[in-house]
Amino acid sequence: EAGVAQSPRYKIIEKRQSVAFWCNPISGHATLYWYQQILGQGPKLLIQFQNNGVVDDSQLPKDRFSAERLKGVDSTLKIQPAKLEDSAVYLCASSLGGQGYGYTFGSGTRLTVV
Amino acid sequence: GQQVMQIPQYQHVQEGEDFTTYCNSSTTLSNIQWYKQRPGGHPVFLIQLVKSGEVKKQKRLTFQFGEAKKNSSLHITATQTTDVGTYFCAGPLGNTGKLIFGQGTTLQVKP
Repeated sequence: EAGVAQSPRYKIIEKRQSVAFWCNPISGHATLYWYQQILGQGPKLLIQFQNNGVVDDSQLPKDRFSAERLKGVDSTLKIQPAKLEDSAVYLCASSLGGQGYGYTFGSGTRLTVV
Repeated sequence: GQQVMQIPQYQHVQEGEDFTTYCNSSTTLSNIQWYKQRPGGHPVFLIQLVKSGEVKKQKRLTFQFGEAKKNSSLHITATQTTDVGTYFCAGPLGNTGKLIFGQGTTLQVKP
């Protein structure tokens, strides 16, 4: 089966600019997650979708981050305006949903804010 | 809040030596998952443990889930250079499906 697709692979922007990341999960996976992974740390959950609804966005810095999954398939994550501390790898993952299912991660987008 | 901690943070071994990483949760877990992330790569699902005291093996890798379901370990026998990477444990937060990841153990193997 095709994996989780993410783009772009790399992005360099200046602080205060905006950026958007795209994710296409595995077909049939109802649950989609966006994680932020800072160098040397474990992935940190930003937001969880179940189909096109938000299940948990408690860790999403809503003053600058937004995410949507309009048709329950693809998802976009946006940062506006970016700060230096947003430099990280943004990982999208999908699963069949619920407990007991492993996540399939995409290759991630490496964001550098200068 | 719920935390998942791993030790050690780094481990350097000679090829052929064994390696173990330990994972501890501040709360009882319904299950625990392990992932491997190669340098420059993304986390890849390895295994899930569900039962108290469960032990599972994948070739040279042995995974254990503690009796109290608050700790777990991953043991690699006779490491190879292909084992290089960061190993993460992850446990579900409450009754949701979302996973809390530990900070990982990075394994370096000298040939």
